Amino acid sequence: QKEVEQNSGPLSVPEGAIASLNCTYSDRGSQSFFWYRQYSGKSPELIMFIYSNGDKEDGRFTAQLNKASQYVSLLIRDSQPSDSATYLCAVNNNFGNEKLTFGTGTRLTIIP
Amino acid sequence: GAGVSQSPRYKVAKRGQDVALRCDPISGHVSLFWYQQALGQGPEFLTYFQNEAQLDKSGLPSDRFFAERPEGSVSTLKIQRTQQEDSAVYLCASSSKRDNTEAFFGQGTRLTVV
Repeated sequence: QKEVEQNSGPLSVPEGAIASLNCTYSDRGSQSFFWYRQYSGKSPELIMFIYSNGDKEDGRFTAQLNKASQYVSLLIRDSQPSDSATYLCAVNNNFGNEKLTFGTGTRLTIIP
Repeated sequence: GAGVSQSPRYKVAKRGQDVALRCDPISGHVSLFWYQQALGQGPEFLTYFQNEAQLDKSGLPSDRFFAERPEGSVSTLKIQRTQQEDSAVYLCASSSKRDNTEAFFGQGTRLTVV
């Protein structure tokens, strides 16, 4: 079992709809959770991080964390063609170890 | 510069050749990370520095890989006797904090071993 799992997609969503990206993790001791966006041929850029159970909203983005289910999600409202990218979920266990463990990413395509 | 700068952007090496990849972090950033990203995969952690101290090198795949950050700023990732499986994008990230909440990635170096 991979430490961080994501559906590789591709996920196609009509413009203006809500895109829902999901991620599960295996280390129950994980403490912090990150969503990165990566355009083709570019480097990852941080969208959001979340530490606590529940929802965290930033503009059109909402991160949701459920530690009991070991599940993290990212919702993108009012999807735009510019949101088309690969979305990487990453996890850190904060046990004095700063490394991020990434999933393989979900490729999202917003259809105009 | 304003961001994390990596050089070269592209490197083609013959199998067995040694290569050195450079990372210029954002000025003043304490933490520096190296990741390896194979095609279609997420980044895989290689090593982590806090200032000049290499605190974690658990991700380095073999003793052919070596990283340093002697003055706590610029970092170099060296790969000796390159092999085809080393072909990947090597990403450097830096952060002003000990954690990853404000880590910025460079554009990466695409290494192709032929």
